[in-house]
Amino acid sequence: DQQVKQNSPSLSVQEGRISILNCDYTNSMFDYFLWYKKYPAEGPTFLISISSIKDKNEDGRFTVFLNKSAKHLSLHIVPSQPGDSAVYFCAASRRRGTTGTASKLTFGTGTRLQVTL
Amino acid sequence: NAGVTQTPKFQVLKTGQSMTLQCAQDMNHEYMSWYRQDPGMGLRLIHYSVGAGITDQGEVPNGYNVSRSTTEDFPLRLLSAAPSQTSVYFCASGRNQPQHFGDGTRLSIL
Repeated sequence: DQQVKQNSPSLSVQEGRISILNCDYTNSMFDYFLWYKKYPAEGPTFLISISSIKDKNEDGRFTVFLNKSAKHLSLHIVPSQPGDSAVYFCAASRRRGTTGTASKLTFGTGTRLQVTL
Repeated sequence: NAGVTQTPKFQVLKTGQSMTLQCAQDMNHEYMSWYRQDPGMGLRLIHYSVGAGITDQGEVPNGYNVSRSTTEDFPLRLLSAAPSQTSVYFCASGRNQPQHFGDGTRLSIL
């Protein structure tokens, strides 16, 4: 039973355009969501997170949107750059309060983003 | 600026052997965790720790032990290696979530 799903294994986007990566979850107890980027032969890198009390969080070129009623979140990258080509993982957790520890993350299977010239 | 350091990077074991995967961080993070990544699957949590002397199980703890005697180190022990434990293992640390990951240990069990 996969509680966090990334249904698109891959995505190809032209440089300068918007990349939209999607993630769905089934566990309504999740209240904290994160995105990570992973290059080959390296560990994941934390990108951005969002608490369930918000519906949007922005950090530079990266914006995460959360739709709690649909149990759906998305990561927007604008504008996309060749260096953004990587595998992106969505993760979800239950967290105590707004600053509690997100001890147990459940990860999706990842979406491979390729940004073409 | 070491961040999270995992050793070794690669290891081949025979079934039944034991070994310890090392993880060290120099950022004074309270939270540390171990994940495994298998083909076609997301990262799955093995064990985690919210501070020295405190550990707890994750999603797939069977066959693994951990201890946290210092803030810096969080070793993962395979007690009796099995082919099903062939995987890439990642250690992570953070203030209160996995923020920084090591580059992984690729482990093959024959």
